[in-house]
Amino acid sequence: QSALTQPASVSGSPGQSITISCTGTSSDVGGYKYVSWYQQHPGKAPKLMIYEVTNRPSGVPDRFSGSKSGNTASLTISGLQAEDEADYYCSSYTSSSTTVFGGGTKLTVL
Amino acid sequence: EVQLVESGGGLVQPGGSLRLSCAASGLTLSSYWMSWIRQAPGKGLEWVATIKQDGSEKYFVDSVKGRFTISRDNAKNSLYLQMNRLRDEDTAVYYCAKGATSSNYWGQGTLVTVSS
Repeated sequence: QSALTQPASVSGSPGQSITISCTGTSSDVGGYKYVSWYQQHPGKAPKLMIYEVTNRPSGVPDRFSGSKSGNTASLTISGLQAEDEADYYCSSYTSSSTTVFGGGTKLTVL
Repeated sequence: EVQLVESGGGLVQPGGSLRLSCAASGLTLSSYWMSWIRQAPGKGLEWVATIKQDGSEKYFVDSVKGRFTISRDNAKNSLYLQMNRLRDEDTAVYYCAKGATSSNYWGQGTLVTVSS
């Protein structure tokens, strides 16, 4: 049950696009469509932003998009806004019927 | 409005026990897989356990197997986490969340501190 690998930090200017990667193995990210992405602001509970690799829950702006290639999933945020500054976590279902999270990525909007 | 409200956190000595509860409103718990997820202070999210709608399937992260038990009372619309033989490294905010592979509803969390 090793954590998925995410960059510790990414940054971008307002209006720009950024991508956060999430690397696992064929036993988790690469093997299933059940990759999710969460946004967490300080002191708050996580918020689901993407589920099943590419799907956005109701209310999540279409600036947020997800994709996957092989064992790596990605979250792209286009048209960066100040309120996007937060921690982002990926998660994946695994072959052991468990769930594993990534270590988290701190997004800074410059 | 869907609400998940955790309770039962607090300060406990290493080796002690604690039972967390999660009360749901605005949704029928019996229709969903439910999970517990924790976050140590200043650290990332860690999935802890998941339980099927009828309680017939339960899954745990390796570090809590044999020490933690997840259960539910659908009649009370509630989820539980029984934590035994607690260790310093179990110190975290514990969240209950709807779902197994993704969670679109989370509680506000309850803090468990394991310390002598």
